[in-house]
Amino acid sequence: NAGVTQTPKFQVLKTGQSMTLQCAQDMNHNSMYWYRQDPGMGLRLIYYSASEGTTDKGEVPNGYNVSRLNKREFSLRLESAAPSQTSVYFCASSGGGLEKLFFGSGTQLSVL
Amino acid sequence: GDSVTQMEGPVTLSEEAFLTINCTYTATGYPSLFWYVQYPGEGLQLLLKATKADDKGSNKGFEATYRKETTSFHLEKGSVQVSDSAVYFCALARSGGYNKLIFGAGTRLAVHP
Repeated sequence: NAGVTQTPKFQVLKTGQSMTLQCAQDMNHNSMYWYRQDPGMGLRLIYYSASEGTTDKGEVPNGYNVSRLNKREFSLRLESAAPSQTSVYFCASSGGGLEKLFFGSGTQLSVL
Repeated sequence: GDSVTQMEGPVTLSEEAFLTINCTYTATGYPSLFWYVQYPGEGLQLLLKATKADDKGSNKGFEATYRKETTSFHLEKGSVQVSDSAVYFCALARSGGYNKLIFGAGTRLAVHP
């Protein structure tokens, strides 16, 4: 089983450029999440989608937008990248509530 | 607000040594508590969890007990292996699901032969 698949694995952007991080899960999960991981700060929730057609802000949503394209896919867009957005980004999914959370392998993003 | 505090790393041990990684939390109500593990180049994986006071979560030789009186959820393993080298994250979830999940900063464990 593929689980949660994220693309790309690595990306370098210049300040002001835009890009979309893709995430897809094949476990028929209702809920999907985007986190960022920064040294010494653990993971922080950017946006989440409790079900197809709904999205909500997490702890650090500024500078990001998301789209829940269908039940499988949840993308994260940076419209105008800033150096402060240099981070490792993780997509995750769950069946809902406090069921086990499954993570993708991450996207390492550098904004110069 | 709710928060999770973990001991700073890195923790460096020899194979077969005893491991403790401390985790304390601040939360209102009765959160569920988790330990996640991140192996190099991978995403996080759930290691174990406990949903109420005095529960003990266990998996792969790791254990942690939910101590409400000390607001702690320390991770322990009696004999570590090189393959346990990873970053360990303590987390709590307030009622309402994973959109309320709060992670600690992570503790890196390095085990040497």
